[in-house]
Amino acid sequence: AQKITQTQPGMFVQEKEAVTLDCTYDTSDPSYGLFWYKQPSSGEMIFLIYQGSYDQQNATEGRYSLNFQKARKSANLVISASQLGDSAMYFCAMRHTGTASKLTFGTGTRLQVTL
Amino acid sequence: KAGVTQTPRYLIKTRGQQVTLSCSPISGHRSVSWYQQTPGQGLQFLFEYFSETQRNKGNFPGRFSGRQFSNSRSEMNVSTLELGDSALYLCASRGQGMYPPLHFGNGTRLTVT
Repeated sequence: AQKITQTQPGMFVQEKEAVTLDCTYDTSDPSYGLFWYKQPSSGEMIFLIYQGSYDQQNATEGRYSLNFQKARKSANLVISASQLGDSAMYFCAMRHTGTASKLTFGTGTRLQVTL
Repeated sequence: KAGVTQTPRYLIKTRGQQVTLSCSPISGHRSVSWYQQTPGQGLQFLFEYFSETQRNKGNFPGRFSGRQFSNSRSEMNVSTLELGDSALYLCASRGQGMYPPLHFGNGTRLTVT
């Protein structure tokens, strides 16, 4: 069975600082993919970044980067230069083998960006 | 390009009733999946439809069903509502490719009283 663990229920970061949101996963599949989504209070889940298990380099998308450590089964999200608009829930998710639509989500981390 | 559209945004129903939620995917996306989000259970996969066929199903009772139309629009139905069905129901669509990301709608918040 696949499992995603996010151990930080809440995090605070000052504007313009960088922040790391933790995610560890457990799977026996050799091929898997990891996603990060952002959920503002409006409810919509916004795709941020994706890392495939066979990708050689860590994924980056603008201010978002994924610190992928395969041996440690961790896929931490790094947000650089935090902005007030980054305040939201952040979810790490893993796709199931052979499907792109069935994701297992972690419990999420609520990030609050302060002045 | 318009995003995923879910209607209605809010619903209040009584125990025992049934409800139908609607989802219009991003134009060109043929896969639509549904998720339930509750404070207790978090985000859980309900099912996925592709070209009008159910492809995957999560671990939910038969009261939860869905369908997809030829234009890729999808509906989700919950019969004999229970208090525990109160949740945010999120619909997502995805495009072609190896493992494209899911694009979610704003969700339908269902309250069962």
